Amino acid sequence: GAVVSQHPSWVICKSGTSVKIECRSLDFQATTMFWYRQFPKQSLMLMATSNEGSKATYEQGVEKDKFLINHASLTLSTLTVTSAHPEDSSFYICRAGTQNTEAFFGQGTRLTVV
Amino acid sequence: QKEVEQNSGPLSVPEGAIASLNCTYSDRGSQSFFWYRQYSGKSPELIMSIYSNGDKEDGRFTAQLNKASQYVSLLIRDSQPSDSATYLCAVNDDDYKLSFGAGTTVTVRA
Repeated sequence: GAVVSQHPSWVICKSGTSVKIECRSLDFQATTMFWYRQFPKQSLMLMATSNEGSKATYEQGVEKDKFLINHASLTLSTLTVTSAHPEDSSFYICRAGTQNTEAFFGQGTRLTVV
Repeated sequence: QKEVEQNSGPLSVPEGAIASLNCTYSDRGSQSFFWYRQYSGKSPELIMSIYSNGDKEDGRFTAQLNKASQYVSLLIRDSQPSDSATYLCAVNDDDYKLSFGAGTTVTVRA
């Protein structure tokens, strides 16, 4: 399968700071990026979907001003958690794909806000 | 997101036995169905996809789909300790979004 690289794999930050997570498609052009969040012992919840060059579409209940998504190129999407708080601590996972093909997961980022 | 329900588990099976995982979904229009395996602290990895009614076999894994009953299952034959993980059922629609079940944790006892 295609390779999707997500960085960092883990990050610890202080409450009130912002954290940026990168998701790169290494061997294909990802027209669509999905961002998921997973709390311990729970399933993956879709946060937002972004298409290259367009604004992201956020799922109900996800604050677009807090979770900034940029998908400016076909190989890179970023998720920035702004003014992070302990309740934002979670496992964030990207999934990259193209139209009419399967999408692939990144390795995930464990965010801990202290 | 569409509703996807899985038997909550945990499911404990002895090594060499068959592990049976079940999943139901709410949207009758769903077209694609997936089983992912997720080890603790890792992202999901795709182990099976199924698109039409019936059985699909891949090695020790068999997926079964019944669209009329809105039901998809996964059988793991000859279970190995390395199969111990959480198994996520996922359902896709036209826009390639995935809706996930809560997962079933499987433990294979040596």
